[in-house]
Amino acid sequence: GNSVTQMEGPVTLSEEAFLTINCTYTATGYPSLFWYVQYPGEGLQLLLKATKADDKGSNKGFEATYRKETTSFHLEKGSVQVSDSAVYFCALSDINQAGTALIFGKGTTLSVSS
Amino acid sequence: EAQVTQNPRYLITVTGKKLTVTCSQNMNHEYMSWYRQDPGLGLRQIYYSMNVEVTDKGDVPEGYKVSRKEKRNFPLILESPSPNQTSLYFCASSFLSGANVLTFGAGSRLTVL
Repeated sequence: GNSVTQMEGPVTLSEEAFLTINCTYTATGYPSLFWYVQYPGEGLQLLLKATKADDKGSNKGFEATYRKETTSFHLEKGSVQVSDSAVYFCALSDINQAGTALIFGKGTTLSVSS
Repeated sequence: EAQVTQNPRYLITVTGKKLTVTCSQNMNHEYMSWYRQDPGLGLRQIYYSMNVEVTDKGDVPEGYKVSRKEKRNFPLILESPSPNQTSLYFCASSFLSGANVLTFGAGSRLTVL
């Protein structure tokens, strides 16, 4: 079945460091890919998405490119801020599957210090 | 403001005492879903609904019930809670068309003693 694997955290960085959080997936069909972010004490919110191969999603300085050949959707940011401290979830959906459920990775905790 | 509202946000209860967590959305979304979040396990889907009177099991439905009598509401019912249902619960909704962009509620932290 479909699945998402993302790097385990926690990831601890200093402000202005470069961030990469790896995400790979297994899927039949043609999934859409997402990154969701969960700030402390809040629900998840969409950070960015890509719906087909080679699409690049971007938002708030974060980017991720849908790579079908490597089945990956790695999240990157060139210069992190303390306010980026959160849990990041990679997810996929396959519109050919009943339920249109999102399948989430286990989440990666990012902690940025000043 | 477009949102998903869950109540209660925090609840401590005892084993066997029935409880309901309410979820309401004001975006006219067809699709609604419940997830639980546990350390090291990420988010796991409990139940989902694709429209009024249409519900189906997710990955971890045991011990839970849901109903979808109205489009905006999707309550989660724990008929006889047990300690292994201690968790952080999220309700989410979306339109069925498009790329499944879910809007999440703020979460309900449930502790079963």
